Amino acid sequence: EAEVAQSPRYKITEKSQAVAFWCDPISGHATLYWYRQILGQGPELLVQFQDESVVDDSQLPKDRFSAERLKGVDSTLKIQPAELGDSAMYLCASSLGRQVGIIQYFGAGTRLSVL
Amino acid sequence: AQTVTQSQPEMSVQEAETVTLSCTYDTSESDYYLFWYKQPPSRQMILVIRQEAYKQQNATENRFSVNFQKAAKSFSLKISDSQLGDAAMYFCAYRSNQFYFGTGTSLTVIP
Repeated sequence: EAEVAQSPRYKITEKSQAVAFWCDPISGHATLYWYRQILGQGPELLVQFQDESVVDDSQLPKDRFSAERLKGVDSTLKIQPAELGDSAMYLCASSLGRQVGIIQYFGAGTRLSVL
Repeated sequence: AQTVTQSQPEMSVQEAETVTLSCTYDTSESDYYLFWYKQPPSRQMILVIRQEAYKQQNATENRFSVNFQKAAKSFSLKISDSQLGDAAMYFCAYRSNQFYFGTGTSLTVIP
């Protein structure tokens, strides 16, 4: 069964360092999402791509976070510089399209710890 | 602003029994979807069930069913014949133009 792949699974970094996460969606899925899930809370959408274009990044802290999906397939989320408050699980999800009721398929996530 | 509230941080159920997880939401929109997602420990989140706001009939997926009360803005999940594999965090979610998750309910299944 096809899955959304994310790497690394765990990342420990020091404050002010740069960190990057990678996501490979299910083949053929045009829509890709990045979420941040702080411990004890539900996921919060950071950015949504349709193919290679950003369609929603209203909750992305653009002073330190960036995301790209250059060829409309895999995607990278970067944080520079990392802050203590960035410690969280970063989830990637994909779907066939952008319809409101469409099913999103989630990866296992990258757990980031900022020291 | 749209919000999703799950008032039960933790729930437990005996194996083979039935449990209901609560969710309320706030919206001024008429067209939206509601979802329940399951997140097992250290595993990816998966969709349990979804409901379109325009459909009056409650969605059902095998042992999982919802009680959708649109006027009350309530969307509860009922799990029948609970199994050990049902133990997980359960998130209620709302989607129209944006996607909002609740804070989750941790379900423990007691053998």
